[in-house]
Amino acid sequence: GQQLNQSPQSMFIQEGEDVSMNCTSSSIFNTWLWYKQDPGEGPVLLIALYKAGELTSNGRLTAQFGITRKDSFLNISASIPSDVGIYFCAGRDNYGQNFVFGPGTRLSVLP
Amino acid sequence: DGGITQSPKYLFRKEGQNVTLSCEQNLNHDAMYWYRQDPGQGLRLIYYSQIVNDFQKGDIAEGYSVSREKKESFPLTVTSAQKNPTAFYLCASSIVEAHNEQFFGPGTRLTVL
Repeated sequence: GQQLNQSPQSMFIQEGEDVSMNCTSSSIFNTWLWYKQDPGEGPVLLIALYKAGELTSNGRLTAQFGITRKDSFLNISASIPSDVGIYFCAGRDNYGQNFVFGPGTRLSVLP
Repeated sequence: DGGITQSPKYLFRKEGQNVTLSCEQNLNHDAMYWYRQDPGQGLRLIYYSQIVNDFQKGDIAEGYSVSREKKESFPLTVTSAQKNPTAFYLCASSIVEAHNEQFFGPGTRLTVL
């Protein structure tokens, strides 16, 4: 079946630093979603991407739909303590009805 | 306020007992989903429903059952046949169109003793 890989698995950064993470797929997708999950809570949708090459921002967050359609990237600028959490990517291809979720990137922000 | 609610937040059950997790949404979404989350893993789809009185198995349906008698409600029963039921369970909903982003509830943590 389809699988998504997320990199890095976890990261520790200083407050104020920029963050980059990515998500790769073994197959081509037509939709990418990025979610953030706080401990013990449900994931919250951050950004949705629908077209190859698309670059979309949401405040300090910017996500891109990779040109190959097999990857997506999420950047967070000027990190703050509340950015702590797990960031999940999810993708769907033209034939799938449902989304496939990656294993997540755990972000820790040090003061 | 529109949203998805799950209850209870924490649930404890003895091994061998069936347990039902509640999921309600007032977003007027046609589709609803149940996922299981284990530490270090992505969300795995248990069951989904795109319309009332119809539902389909996801990737890990064994040991679970669902019903969809109302558009707003999609309860999940974890049966005694589920070998490893302790997990965090997430319910989601979406519209049934091209850009059907899924919106999640707060989750229920089930612990089987």
